[in-house]
Parts: sequence; C-alpha cells; structure tokens
Amino acid sequence: QVQLQESGPGLVKPSETLSLTCSVSGGSISGYYWSWIRQTPGRGLEWIAYIYYTGTTNYNPSLKSRVTISLDTSKTQFSLRLRSVTAADTAVYFCARGTVVSSSWVPSFHSWGQGTLVTVSS
Amino acid sequence: DIQMTQSPSSLSASVGDRVTITCQASQNINYYLNWFQQKPGKAPKVLIFDASNLETGVPSRFSGSGSGTDFTFTISSLQPEDVATYFCQQYDNLPLTFGGGTKVEIK
Repeated sequence: QVQLQESGPGLVKPSETLSLTCSVSGGSISGYYWSWIRQTPGRGLEWIAYIYYTGTTNYNPSLKSRVTISLDTSKTQFSLRLRSVTAADTAVYFCARGTVVSSSWVPSFHSWGQGTLVTVSS
Repeated sequence: DIQMTQSPSSLSASVGDRVTITCQASQNINYYLNWFQQKPGKAPKVLIFDASNLETGVPSRFSGSGSGTDFTFTISSLQPEDVATYFCQQYDNLPLTFGGGTKVEIK
C-alpha cells in the first residue's frame, strides 16, 4: 500500500519561498498523477497542482504564477515550490496520488499523506 | 471554476440515525464526484468515488447518489466512529474544487 510523507520547514518568512517534498513508498511513481493540496480553516481545501509521471503538469490558475511542481523519479519523491509567500499561504499542505478512475480526463486523488503545517510569519 | 456548495455545514445526530449531506455543483459535473471523510489531524479519506461507488474497504452504511449538479451522501446508521468532517470534491474539470465541508457530531 502506497504511503506518502510530506517534509519541509514548518515556518517560512513572508516573501520567501516555501519548499516541500513528498516521499513515496510502497509503490511506483510510474503510471500515476502526483498532487499538492492545501487546507486552511478559512478557505477549506484548495488544489494547488499536479504532475503526471511523464512530467506533464497542471496548476491552479489562482496560484500558477508562484508555483512549481517537480518530480524526482530516481528518489521516488516530488516537490512543491511556492514563491513570494504571505500569511495567506499558511496552511496544512497535503501530497496525494491520483489516477483517472472513470471517463473523466481529470485524475482523482485517493491516497493522501498526513499533511504538514506550514506557517508564514516573520 | 466549478463551485461546490455543500450543506449543512454541521449537524448533530444520534447513534443509529440516518444522516444526509448534499452537494450542489455550479455546473454539470456528470458523476465525477468524490466524498471524503476527514478526522481531526488526519488526511482526508475517500469513501465514495464517481458519485456512488464505494471505495474498497469502506463500510456499506456509507452511500452516495446523484449526477449532473445535485448529489447526496448518506450514512444509513450513524456510528460513533463516523464523527468527522465530510467533503465533496469534483473532478470533472480543472481546477479541482471542494465543498466547504459538513461537520458531523453525535448528539
């Protein structure tokens, strides 16, 4: 059974770059979509981006200008970089694995990590 | 973006009660809808996909129905371990979007 584990700094200063890594164990990177999703009490759950194992990416337009998602197949991990952060980026960040489960072209993310809290503060 | 409107935002029911949560999409999403359960401090867990398909290992007291814009999630007999927040989420189009959640408590 696949397991996903987020890691990275729990505190980031305003205007700096938030960097998180998701380590994947118990399964292959190949054949799947890999995503970042965040959650705040005020805005709820917000999808950030996903990357297919081939390297194809898709970003939420609301964050696209500040986000990069990347994949390291040799290390079976993928990463998130969010630039120019503000307090509004304070959230629990989840990584997740997805597949296309039906005739929708959009993947559905069924396996999630436990999440990591990132606070943006000076 | 497709807006997902979920109601109620919270509910309190007795053990054994039937619980129903609704989710309305701002446009047709066919049947491309997940229902998640999230317990405090934990990751969301998929219970239902494609609006009505039970994820493997999920108890049969959970069910989902609907298509197009209107969807329903039901717990047929509420159990103490069902205390959690439940979310709907569409995957008809990007960006993926989620409902605001329903917090379910025991009366």
